Amino acid sequence: EPEVTQTPSHQVTQMGQEVILRCVPISNHLYFYWYRQILGQKVEFLVSFYNNEISEKSEIFDDQFSVERPDGSNFTLKIRSTKLEDSAMYFCASRDWTYTGELFFGEGSRLTVL
Amino acid sequence: DQQVKQNSPSLSVQEGRISILNCDYTNSMFDYFLWYKKYPAEGPTFLISISSIKDKNEDGRFTVFLNKSAKHLSLHIVPSQPGDSAVYFCAASADNTGTASKLTFGTGTRLQVTL
Repeated sequence: EPEVTQTPSHQVTQMGQEVILRCVPISNHLYFYWYRQILGQKVEFLVSFYNNEISEKSEIFDDQFSVERPDGSNFTLKIRSTKLEDSAMYFCASRDWTYTGELFFGEGSRLTVL
Repeated sequence: DQQVKQNSPSLSVQEGRISILNCDYTNSMFDYFLWYKKYPAEGPTFLISISSIKDKNEDGRFTVFLNKSAKHLSLHIVPSQPGDSAVYFCAASADNTGTASKLTFGTGTRLQVTL
């Protein structure tokens, strides 16, 4: 069964460093998302991406964050200068053109900022 | 602004009995409601969904009920099994033509099924 894959599974970084989280969505999917979950809290929407541009972003997704789909298969989330509060699980998700609400999630990338 | 709320952070049920997880929402534009199951350090896994034009959807041991007038939905698991122990997230989506129609998640309910 096709799945969303994310790398790295865990990244430890120093505060102020840049981090890139990578995702390979399911191949025929058209809509792409990043969510995050701070430990013990709810899954929060960060950004959605469609037709090579940001479709919607939350207030969390400030100027320190950016997304890119550089080569038609990867979908990346970049955090320019990490802060302690960026420590969380980051989930990539995707869906195809049919609208049923369902998103397919990856296993997540755990980011630890020291 | 919590558009999707799960007021019970945890629930403990005996194996074989019914588990009922509840969810309330405020946005009347939501047209799909979904339940996701999540284990620690894993991504959310889709369980079952319901369209706003229906009031019930059943899939094996899982049934979701939607009460639009009360803006309330519930997930019933019958019979509950130890493998059902996980965090369950209620989520909702509103179809926004031209945008990617994100999911809005509730805070989750940790279900523990005991022997």
